[in-house]
Amino acid sequence: EVQLVESGGGLVQPGRSMKLSCAASGFTFNNYDMAWVCQAPKKGLEWVATISYDGSSTYYRDSVKGRFTISRDNAKSTLYLQMDSLRSEDTATYYCARTGITTVEFDYWGQGVMVTVSS
Amino acid sequence: DVVLTQTPSTLSATIGQSVSISCRSSQSLLDSAGNTYLYWYLQRPGQSPQLLIYLVSNLGSGVPNRFSGSGSGTDFTLKISGVEAEDLGVYYCMQATHAPWTFGGGTKLELK
Repeated sequence: EVQLVESGGGLVQPGRSMKLSCAASGFTFNNYDMAWVCQAPKKGLEWVATISYDGSSTYYRDSVKGRFTISRDNAKSTLYLQMDSLRSEDTATYYCARTGITTVEFDYWGQGVMVTVSS
Repeated sequence: DVVLTQTPSTLSATIGQSVSISCRSSQSLLDSAGNTYLYWYLQRPGQSPQLLIYLVSNLGSGVPNRFSGSGSGTDFTLKISGVEAEDLGVYYCMQATHAPWTFGGGTKLELK
């Protein structure tokens, strides 16, 4: 059974940093691209970042470029999102998601982790 | 960025009723290789999103066949043939043809 379990969220002050983790199991992690998707309270979904199966390529939405870093440790089957210079508008639930190999869909999602940026 | 406009924003239905949700894109989602990266997701209350449809019309794993997707270019539709109670929630379309990947604003399906 595919499982994605996020951790590392919580309350953080503006300008500070936070690192999210997503532990994957039930599939061959290093065969799949992975992504982070966020959802602000009572709002819709927003793609944040994607990393290729081997970590060689990364992609970000403009609003997080230069502040967020997506990475992975295939030996540990874990995905990460390092979030620096956090802003109040980064407040959201962050989901990690597996990306289909050729068809690119987000076929499995974690349960999500809440990040609140506030003083 | 590609803007996906979903209509209606709210949909009231009775159990057994058939309903449709529209997703209109600001640009064609057909890429140069002939692929259309348009997807549909359902987010039930308090849950993570789940995949319903990929590449316009393909059912995700375990998704009931009362769900169907159609469309091309800039206009796409999700149809539910006979709403069941477990179908309630917010439906999102998403495109991955053009960076950045974008989602529609969502359509909330509720019981009438």
